[in-house]
Amino acid sequence: GAGVSQTPSNKVTEKGKYVELRCDPISGHTALYWYRQSLGQGPEFLIYFQGTGAADDSGLPNDRFFAVRPEGSVSTLKIQRTERGDSAVYLCASSFEYLGNTEAFFGQGTRLTVV
Amino acid sequence: KQEVTQIPAALSVPEGENLVLNCSFTDSAIYNLQWFRQDPGKGLTSLLLIQSSQREQTSGRLNASLDKSSGRSTLYIAASQPGDSATYLCAVGMDSSYKLIFGSGTRLLVRP
Repeated sequence: GAGVSQTPSNKVTEKGKYVELRCDPISGHTALYWYRQSLGQGPEFLIYFQGTGAADDSGLPNDRFFAVRPEGSVSTLKIQRTERGDSAVYLCASSFEYLGNTEAFFGQGTRLTVV
Repeated sequence: KQEVTQIPAALSVPEGENLVLNCSFTDSAIYNLQWFRQDPGKGLTSLLLIQSSQREQTSGRLNASLDKSSGRSTLYIAASQPGDSATYLCAVGMDSSYKLIFGSGTRLLVRP
């Protein structure tokens, strides 16, 4: 596609429920990143994929959070037993990495509200 | 641990003014630094990317400088316009991946 697509754009869920957030990167981009942005803050890194594998998941806050990218394209961020503190905008970015240039393109995000 | 700070948190200026947004970081061993723009309810748009070996980058009315040794970057916006109103985020990369460390942003309002 023309850009990074994230669905849904908004998600409201009840505390304790399971949610999945989807990211469709730009075609051909090998690297995919998930960030979380709380109100009034800058984005915080969650996890980074190079191809199908998670190259760095050090930003995942706890084991309720998990992400997959089974075919090296679309990625799904999964959150179990959601808590009100998980409410934030979840941003996805993708890049075609080559030496010396790491420009990435961000999607518009999924706004998650846990009530 | 790298920390990125942006000052001021908010800024309101009349149209036509030249302005400077500031970004500071605690660990000077950065790989690159980027400035982004974020409009309400939208994702991030990359404005300028400065590699660690560079001192500045320019794009149109925007100029970003980098002083690694002092841990500072500035984003200069010339002849500001109401359409420049947005939140501006500074982010540093510590390696060639896109694992970035962001500041909290400066919320800019340009008044007509």
